[in-house]
Amino acid sequence: QSALTQPASVSGSPGQSITISCSGTRSDVGAYSYVSWLQFYPGKAPKLMIYEVSNRPSGISNRFSGSKSGNTASLTISGLQAEDEADYYCSSYTTISTLVFGTGTKVTVL
Amino acid sequence: QLQLQESGPGLVKPSETLSLTCTVSGGSISSSRHYWGWIRQPPGKGLEWIGSIFYSGSTYYNPSLKSRVTISVDTSKNQFSLKLSSVTAADTAVYYCARLDYGDFCPGYWGQGTLVTVSS
Repeated sequence: QSALTQPASVSGSPGQSITISCSGTRSDVGAYSYVSWLQFYPGKAPKLMIYEVSNRPSGISNRFSGSKSGNTASLTISGLQAEDEADYYCSSYTTISTLVFGTGTKVTVL
Repeated sequence: QLQLQESGPGLVKPSETLSLTCTVSGGSISSSRHYWGWIRQPPGKGLEWIGSIFYSGSTYYNPSLKSRVTISVDTSKNQFSLKLSSVTAADTAVYYCARLDYGDFCPGYWGQGTLVTVSS
């Protein structure tokens, strides 16, 4: 199975909005509404930010939102804050009952 | 508060078997709503799902690793384990354990990860 494709880096100024894309195929992203987004800080346990394309777990800021169109999912961070600077990965369930991750995106707050 | 903690040797010799254990606290591994999984991240690279196990012992593995991977569960200790055989330098990575939702493998809770280096 191939990794989902994400941009290597995305940057924005505080207060701006940024969007990270996650491109897959009809066998993963396009097959179900089972796309998740994860936030990685060095040395900390990764955190689930979005599940089932657009749902936020309890405690996650509403500045984080998700969507999907066809084989591409997206994570949007609005009102960008310094604390949002981290690595972000998408993941998707697949039609062969496996889990595939994106290539990862480094978000930089300018 | 659910917590997952990986444990095991940080250094493994080439051709040997990597063994890690994940201890779950603050929740039961015998949940009918969750799978338990292993995910790894080689230095400077992306994430790779290794496999998942249900408390009953039912498993799913990454096809690219399936021939070398065994994941098992010990419900009495609230633990699950990973064994990866015939390791090479390419298996050097941070290994994470995680709780995955039943039905879609959404990785909701993660351990902090443990670095395993394959070197002689």
